[in-house]
Amino acid sequence: AQSVTQPDIHITVSEGASLELRCNYSYGATPYLFWYVQSPGQGLQLLLKYFSGDTLVQGIKGFEAEFKRSQSSFNLRKPSVHWSDAAEYFCAVGSGGGADGLTFGKGTHLIIQP
Amino acid sequence: EAQVTQNPRYLITVTGKKLTVTCSQNMNHEYMSWYRQDPGLGLRQIYYSMNVEVTDKGDVPEGYKVSRKEKRNFPLILESPSPNQTSLYFCASSFTRLAGVANYGYTFGSGTRLTVV
Repeated sequence: AQSVTQPDIHITVSEGASLELRCNYSYGATPYLFWYVQSPGQGLQLLLKYFSGDTLVQGIKGFEAEFKRSQSSFNLRKPSVHWSDAAEYFCAVGSGGGADGLTFGKGTHLIIQP
Repeated sequence: EAQVTQNPRYLITVTGKKLTVTCSQNMNHEYMSWYRQDPGLGLRQIYYSMNVEVTDKGDVPEGYKVSRKEKRNFPLILESPSPNQTSLYFCASSFTRLAGVANYGYTFGSGTRLTVV
């Protein structure tokens, strides 16, 4: 069965600094990988996704992620964070075979310091 | 506007009183799923549906039922709610992977916060 690990429960970053959120997955075949963001009291918004091809994918709000098969990782990055980026971030892997739906990591809570 | 609509947004109920949380999507998506979100556990899949009349259990199906009689609707039914079902629930929908990379990816509703006392 697939699984997703987000090693950092909380991350604090100063406004304007760069950001990297880690995600490691376990999946037997080529994975479908996603990053979602959840602002307080809101639903989940898709930031970006990866299925195949170029291993560096661009998303909304200035985010990007890099797929590294050898490390089973799909880390999310942003060169300069804004206070509005404070939120919960979830990495997810798409199921395969006859099933569907997403398996999520437990999330990383991002705090932005002024 | 393309969206997934859940109702109600908030619900407080008593143990054992049957309830239904509705979910509707206007994007003609085949796939629909229900998740629950709990602190420290992230989101866990309850049930999913790959098309009309095709449903299957996710990771935490106990105490829940679903139906998919129409493509746009995927209600979540709690026949006899218990306090351990107090949670934040999300419905999501997507085109199938056969629709292509650009079209595959789940759109989430705004959530239903359920409290069972």
